[in-house]
Amino acid sequence: GESVGLHLPTLSVQEGDNSIINCAYSNSASDYFIWYKQESGKGPQFIIDIRSNMDKRQGQRVTVLLNKTVKHLSLQIAATQPGDSAVYFCAENSAENSGGSNYKLTFGKGTLLTVNP
Amino acid sequence: ETGVTQTPRHLVMGMTNKKSLKCEQHLGHNAMYWYKQSAKKPLELMFVYNFKEQTENNSVPSRFSPECPNSSHLFLHLHTLQPEDSALYLCASGAGHKSTDTQYFGPGTRLTVL
Repeated sequence: GESVGLHLPTLSVQEGDNSIINCAYSNSASDYFIWYKQESGKGPQFIIDIRSNMDKRQGQRVTVLLNKTVKHLSLQIAATQPGDSAVYFCAENSAENSGGSNYKLTFGKGTLLTVNP
Repeated sequence: ETGVTQTPRHLVMGMTNKKSLKCEQHLGHNAMYWYKQSAKKPLELMFVYNFKEQTENNSVPSRFSPECPNSSHLFLHLHTLQPEDSALYLCASGAGHKSTDTQYFGPGTRLTVL
């Protein structure tokens, strides 16, 4: 899993296996969460998002789970492929101050996923 | 391809040089962002522009100077940088600075300060 401030964790899986990447977020008032994928030499790419009024959302081969009780977010990748190898990080969107109209994304440090053929 | 382009992709500069990074978004968004990504650190927000107005300066040193002439273009002017400023500089755009706005990133400029 990952948490802001720690060294970059790694996850190594075999091609075809399912991958689970975890994220602990910090602000209980955050109401929107995004998972990004960053391949080497590229910018972060949007994968999937979820609002705080949901606990699960599915995309194509990816599922995001949100547990607000313990402030935990996870990304599940089904049938992981070599092209899934990248750094994955979560971002939480929260108001900059109480009653504020400006929101900012806070990013975790990321998890390096390596898929072995 | 996310609709956000950045130039140059790589830049090497000395501490006394002046250079500029350019970002352009083709998504019709109203907000644009500069981030710094250093090794082993989370993405750091530097500046936010919403409808061409700067709404956030995250305690960035004055040797970094942003410019947003319109909603589609964003610049980062660099002057007398330090070696520790070497990093990947990412531009992003979003619909607006609101709660459920996804940000879309460009490929970044890899900056090396000698």
